[in-house]
Amino acid sequence: QSVLTQPPSVSAAPGQKVTISCSASSSNIANNFVSWYQQFPGTAPKLLIYDNYKRPSGIPDRFSASKSGTSATLAITGLQSGDGADYFCAMWHISLTTGPVFGGGTKLTVL
Amino acid sequence: EVQLVESGGGLVQPGGSLRLSCTASGLTFSDYSMNWVRQAPGKGLEWISYIRSDSSIIYYADSVEGRFTISRDNVKSSVFLQMNSLRDEDTAVYYCVRDHIWAMDVWGQGTTVTVSS
Repeated sequence: QSVLTQPPSVSAAPGQKVTISCSASSSNIANNFVSWYQQFPGTAPKLLIYDNYKRPSGIPDRFSASKSGTSATLAITGLQSGDGADYFCAMWHISLTTGPVFGGGTKLTVL
Repeated sequence: EVQLVESGGGLVQPGGSLRLSCTASGLTFSDYSMNWVRQAPGKGLEWISYIRSDSSIIYYADSVEGRFTISRDNVKSSVFLQMNSLRDEDTAVYYCVRDHIWAMDVWGQGTTVTVSS
């Protein structure tokens, strides 16, 4: 299984756009599905993105994601102070023969 | 509203055992596969086990294979994690999580397991 690498931290000012990368160690993740989670301190993670780019009901369209080659990217536009949190990517193989691998997480600071 | 409530965490000595429970409400539990995910203090998320809706398929992470056992009772809308031969590195918050096929869409609040002498 791939190892997923995320930047430990990113920061941006309110109103700006920020991207968080999730790079896989395997050569290609075309047959993998990526999801993204948001976690505030002391609380459980929350699903933000599933199936590479889909948003669950209630997630604003300021949050978007894409996948290409060996990496996936979460983008947050119109940053708000309340977006400051930890963000984790996770990847499943299409075969579902095991559970997912999580990235190490990225702490987003809204300046 | 779908809710998952974990219980059973606590302080246990290395080599000891603990059984976690997760009770679901607001959903037809027997329709869903379930997972356990843990998070060590200050660390990231680690998936540790999966059980299909009918218990026909079970997976474990290598880190817990042979020591942990997942099970479920669809009549009681519950999933369990029996943890044996606990190690210091098993110290974590353990989350019960509903499976969404290639994602996890509902998380419990977590229960804390501390392995220490």
